[in-house]
Amino acid sequence: KAGVTQTPRYLIKTRGQQVTLSCSPISGHRSVSWYQQTPGQGLQFLFEYFSETQRNKGNFPGRFSGRQFSNSRSEMNVSTLELGDSALYLCASSIRLAGGHEQFFGPGTRLTVL
Amino acid sequence: QQQVKQSPQSLIVQKGGISIINCAYENTAFDYFPWYQQFPGKGPALLIAIRPDVSEKKEGRFTISFNKSAKQFSLHIMDSQPGDSATYFCAASPPRSSGTYKYIFGTGTRLKVLA
Repeated sequence: KAGVTQTPRYLIKTRGQQVTLSCSPISGHRSVSWYQQTPGQGLQFLFEYFSETQRNKGNFPGRFSGRQFSNSRSEMNVSTLELGDSALYLCASSIRLAGGHEQFFGPGTRLTVL
Repeated sequence: QQQVKQSPQSLIVQKGGISIINCAYENTAFDYFPWYQQFPGKGPALLIAIRPDVSEKKEGRFTISFNKSAKQFSLHIMDSQPGDSATYFCAASPPRSSGTYKYIFGTGTRLKVLA
């Protein structure tokens, strides 16, 4: 079974631009979560989607948004990029198990804002 | 109440030694505690996980010890190898009844195993 895929793997943007990142979850997984990873802050939760609905949202400004499509693929968008948005953006797909649920992470998209 | 505190921030261990990473949580509603291993340039990979009704879980050289009363859990890596050199994250998950799969992550421990 293929893992979580994220595209693109690397992005370089300048301040003020916007960016869209894409995530394809593991087949059969309906939940997709997004995290921002930086050296100083670790893994910070951005938002979670389940069956095309945002189920939870982290403490990020409104410049960060996302959506999920009917095939469970998800996109996140960051508008008006700032230098501090440079980070590794990770997508995780989840499946419910008898004892809980497990999250499987993709390789991430490395975003650099100049 | 949503924090997970992880220590140490970094750890250097000799090959064959035991690596121990600790995490503490506050929210007693958390009911699933996974550990992730991350190599440079890769996403985190699930290593081992435990539920609070179990005090210990072992998979190969990796063991989770869980102390529910102290709200602490730890990862032990026995016979540490240079290939174990990576960053390790603990996490905690709200109960299924919360309707979310959101994880709260610790800040990570960078492990280096010397050959």
